[in-house]
Amino acid sequence: ETGVTQTPRHLVMGMTNKKSLKCEQHLGHNAMYWYKQSAKKPLELMFVYNFKEQTENNSVPSRFSPECPNSSHLFLHLHTLQPEDSALYLCASSQDSSFGMLYEQYFGPGTRLTVT
Amino acid sequence: EDQVTQSPEALRLQEGESSSLNCSYTVSGLRGLFWYRQDPGKGPEFLFTLYSAGEEKEKERLKATLTKKESFLHITAPKPEDSATYLCAVQPNQAGTALIFGKGTTLSVSS
Repeated sequence: ETGVTQTPRHLVMGMTNKKSLKCEQHLGHNAMYWYKQSAKKPLELMFVYNFKEQTENNSVPSRFSPECPNSSHLFLHLHTLQPEDSALYLCASSQDSSFGMLYEQYFGPGTRLTVT
Repeated sequence: EDQVTQSPEALRLQEGESSSLNCSYTVSGLRGLFWYRQDPGKGPEFLFTLYSAGEEKEKERLKATLTKKESFLHITAPKPEDSATYLCAVQPNQAGTALIFGKGTTLSVSS
């Protein structure tokens, strides 16, 4: 595997289900990100982890719960979602996310989530 | 409020017909501007980073330029495989790492 991988690629869940999205990066990066991409809207940053520590939470509802056990893996735990949460969820990684540093982010293919 | 606006929203070109995509931005200070390409059903693919006004970068048929208010992505003699959505993002010069993305320009190149 190379780059950033995400599983599953597609997910359909009911509003009462609990599911998890997984992201793995094979680039040796130290920062990982979750983004939400909805139709006709810009990408929205959800969470940032730098060296396994959460450094940003962009006012995301608590029904989304991130977990970063190490610098290579990132999870997004989902529970009691709403239909408006249906979107493409993208994971990204970069070399670092410290203030003052600017590194390009590399994205995974995304998980297409549908909440019924 | 920091903001990124991309235009046009959609662009149709004939193969070989050169054109430009625009990304205008309003930020308190710019640390960097990124261009990405996104194909349907895939994540964005990094193209360029621009840091300061006057900077230019090229890759194959693509050339990105930056001024103090906007960036252009010039596409020279496009081919059908250049069809994609092109995203622009800026990183403000402040604490935190949030990139502010535009909505993108969807480019269709027909042969």
